[in-house]
Amino acid sequence: AQSVTQLGSHVSVSEGALVLLRCNYSSSVPPYLFWYVQYPNQGLQLLLKYTSAATLVKGINGFEAEFKKSETSFHLTKPSAHMSDAAEYFCAVTPYSSASKIIFGSGTRLSIRP
Amino acid sequence: NAGVMQNPRHLVRRRGQEARLRCSPMKGHSHVYWYRQLPEEGLKFMVYLQKENIIDESGMPKERFSAEFPKEGPSILRIQQVVRGDSAAYFCASSPEGGENSPLHFGNGTRLTVT
Repeated sequence: AQSVTQLGSHVSVSEGALVLLRCNYSSSVPPYLFWYVQYPNQGLQLLLKYTSAATLVKGINGFEAEFKKSETSFHLTKPSAHMSDAAEYFCAVTPYSSASKIIFGSGTRLSIRP
Repeated sequence: NAGVMQNPRHLVRRRGQEARLRCSPMKGHSHVYWYRQLPEEGLKFMVYLQKENIIDESGMPKERFSAEFPKEGPSILRIQQVVRGDSAAYFCASSPEGGENSPLHFGNGTRLTVT
């Protein structure tokens, strides 16, 4: 079975500071991994996805994530936080052999301090 | 190019009533997924449908919940005899195909409140 664990339900950083949102996955087969962002009262928007082509994945809005198989991690980072980055971020996994559903983590709410 | 359209955005029902949530996928998308988001929780998979077929309903409660995606028209998630615990945001997503390289496109959700 596949699952993801997001460490920290709430992360607060200062504007301009590094953003680091943690995600660890569990998968018995090579996984496909995603990060989604949800702004208030909206649906989820894809930030980036890992599909085994490259371990460092660049996404929209300056975000990137690195797939580390040895650590079973897929942490999301951004060098310099912007006020507009305040949102809920979800890590997700889908099994290689079946993409009928995506399993989401419980989410991390990112707050940006002025 | 319209995205995934869900309606209504907000739905209030009294206990025992029926709730019908509608989802029109993006143009050209034939795969629809329904997710439920409880307060302070992530999204939980409910059901995956293609036109006229339920592919995976492993996340659907055994009773009171049903989903369809007819040949014509939107996908419908129906909740019969709603209870307070059904209060949540229900999100629909669509993709052009069910492969792992097809990211999901989400609607803005329907927020169901059961009073």
